[in-house]
Amino acid sequence: KQEVTQIPAALSVPEGENLVLNCSFTDSAIYNLQWFRQDPGKGLTSLLLIQSSQREQTSGRLNASLDKSSGRSTLYIAASQPGDSATYLCAVRSSNDYKLSFGAGTTVTVRA
Amino acid sequence: DTEVTQTPKHLVMGMTNKKSLKCEQHMGHRAMYWYKQKAKKPPELMFVYSYEKLSINESVPSRFSPECPNSSLLNLHLHALQPEDSALYLCASSQERAGSEKLFFGSGTQLSVL
Repeated sequence: KQEVTQIPAALSVPEGENLVLNCSFTDSAIYNLQWFRQDPGKGLTSLLLIQSSQREQTSGRLNASLDKSSGRSTLYIAASQPGDSATYLCAVRSSNDYKLSFGAGTTVTVRA
Repeated sequence: DTEVTQTPKHLVMGMTNKKSLKCEQHMGHRAMYWYKQKAKKPPELMFVYSYEKLSINESVPSRFSPECPNSSLLNLHLHALQPEDSALYLCASSQERAGSEKLFFGSGTQLSVL
């Protein structure tokens, strides 16, 4: 069974600092990995999707890396802004099926 | 249109009520999902429909009954719920084509069972 862990559970940084969020998974035979953002009481927004054959994906200030062999992914957010405050979840799809294994998330607070 | 629309946004119901949650997408996605999320926990998969056929049912109690009338619509019928069923119910969809498995979520229905 795939286990996904996100550390730290919470993070508070001053505006302008770069954010580094970590995700680890136990089974390296993954199909893809997604990073999501969730605001309180709202749905999830997909930020980046990395296929198992890829090493990284970039979108604007966001960059996500994937190291399958070590079972790790890292989400980098450059020059953080108060609007980046949210919970960030990673989710792993272990094979060509529909089920995602979610981490518990990292709650980020960016202080103005 | 890259939205998944869920209605209602909030729902309060008694344990003897029957209600339905609705979800709609117009992105041409052929897979649709129901997730349940308790506060400060990750979403848990309940049901998956692929090409309007139920393909995954994660041993959810029968008081939850999904329905997929067509490729754009997904309903979740609720009957005789318990207070512990109070949660955020999320609908999602995806294009089930290799390389295009990004999941799009609706904003959810916050359900309270009294």
